[in-house]
Amino acid sequence: QVQLVESGGDFVKPGGSLRLSCAVSGFSVSDFHMGWIRQAPGKGLEWVSTLIGDTKYADSVKGRFTISRDHAKNSLYLQMTSLRAEDTAVYYCARLSNSGYDYFDNWGQGTLVTVSS
Amino acid sequence: DIQMTQSPSTLSASVGDRVTITCRASQTLNNWLAWYQQKPGKAPNLLIYDASTLESGVPSRFSGSGSGTEFTLTISSLQPDDFASYYCQQYNGYGTTFGGGTKVEI
Repeated sequence: QVQLVESGGDFVKPGGSLRLSCAVSGFSVSDFHMGWIRQAPGKGLEWVSTLIGDTKYADSVKGRFTISRDHAKNSLYLQMTSLRAEDTAVYYCARLSNSGYDYFDNWGQGTLVTVSS
Repeated sequence: DIQMTQSPSTLSASVGDRVTITCRASQTLNNWLAWYQQKPGKAPNLLIYDASTLESGVPSRFSGSGSGTEFTLTISSLQPDDFASYYCQQYNGYGTTFGGGTKVEI
């Protein structure tokens, strides 16, 4: 059974850092491309980053966020630095389909990041 | 970046209604479009990919159509479990973008 479980969300001040984790079971992060998507309170979905061999980032987070994975721990990570109020959102970890195209066929339940002074 | 415009943003409907949601792209997508359903407090769930392919386990009352820059999600007969928000997503080119969402309410 495919399962993705995010953790690490917290309350942080502007300029601070946070690392989100996504523990995966039911498949190997080595075999699939993975990504992060966020949703600000009451708003729509916003793509953040994708790990497909190389890495891709939305312009809004480029240079501040880093996506990575640990094959041994079967986990995905998102290192976030220089956090801003507009980064406040629920962050979802998701698996990309194995078709080679960037749609997300399995999602975690999300973890909340709040950036406020 | 490819911009995605969804309409309407809110839709009021009744059980049994046929519902149509539209998504327009700022550039041609070559059918690289997906649709998701999201219920309050839950993660999105994939319904359709490649514009018209139904994800395994999704009821057949959901269908997708369109090509180029205009795409449609149709629910043939709205069920109580279908009251939710729906998002389109394009995956043609670098990165990906989502539409603004459509909330289907009673």
